[in-house]
Amino acid sequence: DGGITQSPKYLFRKEGQNVTLSCEQNLNHDAMYWYRQDPGQGLRLIYYSQIVNDFQKGDIAEGYSVSREKKESFPLTVTSAQKNPTAFYLCASTLRGSHGYTFGSGTRLTVV
Amino acid sequence: DAKTTQPTSMDCAEGRAANLPCNHSTISGNEYVYWYRQIHSQGPQYIIHGLKNNETNEMASLIITEDRKSSTLILPHATLRDTAVYYCIVNTGANSKLTFGKGITLSVRP
Repeated sequence: DGGITQSPKYLFRKEGQNVTLSCEQNLNHDAMYWYRQDPGQGLRLIYYSQIVNDFQKGDIAEGYSVSREKKESFPLTVTSAQKNPTAFYLCASTLRGSHGYTFGSGTRLTVV
Repeated sequence: DAKTTQPTSMDCAEGRAANLPCNHSTISGNEYVYWYRQIHSQGPQYIIHGLKNNETNEMASLIITEDRKSSTLILPHATLRDTAVYYCIVNTGANSKLTFGKGITLSVRP
């Protein structure tokens, strides 16, 4: 079945360590997005990419980095510069010309 | 992107219609209305979208007022599995960034 896979589902890291969250899609979607969600809040856009080897900052890009070397993959690195990294991270993708986003099931990152 | 206003929460009885309102008084002529829902600890799920006309699919109906300043998402026969946060979003369309507010929490009671 086609879909978008985020791994791992739960991730624990020590403060000061960088961590990379995986997002893979086999939907042949062109654009991919990373969102962050804090408890009781809506989703905030971190980074997005509409084509391979190109990406743009969203509303809260500070302390995060991404790459888009392959169409199907859009990994997110949470760096030590991110002040409050504990959150629920969601990856999404969409096909050019399509109106609906497909979301992954999310990665819950806890930094201790 | 235009902003939307939704009530914080609402509930309805199982089997009854759930009517979820959304105000978007500053919507532009080229902006669509989208609805997504998010069940607890999962990724959001696309439900429906529309521009001017009312729309219906297997999940829901979307009613947009003639002046396009508000809309209503209708779940015709709510079930317990419809309990979720529902987000109303306005956006210029395909490949555009979506901005999610806090949404409305729908609780379906037995």
